[in-house]
Amino acid sequence: AQSVTQLGSHVSVSEGALVLLRCNYSSSVPPYLFWYVQYPNQGLQLLLKYTTGATLVKGINGFEAEFKKSETSFHLTKPSAHMSDAAEYFCAVSDGSDYGGSQGNLIFGKGTKLSVKP
Amino acid sequence: DTGVSQNPRHKITKRGQNVTFRCDPISEHNRLYWYRQTLGQGPEFLTYFQNEAQLEKSRLLSDRFSAERPKGSFSTLEIQRTEQGDSAMYLCASSLAGGAGNQPQHFGDGTRLSIL
Repeated sequence: AQSVTQLGSHVSVSEGALVLLRCNYSSSVPPYLFWYVQYPNQGLQLLLKYTTGATLVKGINGFEAEFKKSETSFHLTKPSAHMSDAAEYFCAVSDGSDYGGSQGNLIFGKGTKLSVKP
Repeated sequence: DTGVSQNPRHKITKRGQNVTFRCDPISEHNRLYWYRQTLGQGPEFLTYFQNEAQLEKSRLLSDRFSAERPKGSFSTLEIQRTEQGDSAMYLCASSLAGGAGNQPQHFGDGTRLSIL
């Protein structure tokens, strides 16, 4: 069974500071990993994903994440926080297959709420 | 691409009533997913359709929950005899068929259900 653990339900940073949101996963099959962002009263927006290939993936809004198989981690970073980054961030895992029979459903962590102080 | 649309955005009802939510996916997407999100938690997968076929429904929370996608376009999620614990955000997502890696899911803004 697959699972995701996000360390820290709430992270607070100053504007311009480094953002680091932690995600560890468990999967018996090669995983696909995702980061989504959710603003209040809205749905989820895909920030970035890892499938295969390069382990450092870049996403929208200056975010990036690195897949580390040995550490079963997929931490999200951004060099310089902006006030508009304040939101809740979810890490998710899916079975690592792209054939038509794959369900493709996502298993999410509990989320990390990011606050950005001026 | 008009995005995934969910209606209503908010639903307040009394315990014991039935509720139905609607999801209109992105038009060319043949897969449609329902998730539930409770306060302080990530979304939890409930069920999904490929075209009109419901291919996974074992994760529906109880037999009070049912979903349909009669013509392979929009979908409805119904909860019968609502309970306090059903209060949550219900999210719909759609994608093209295939694994999540190549066919990312696009989420709607959700329907927030409050049970009085």
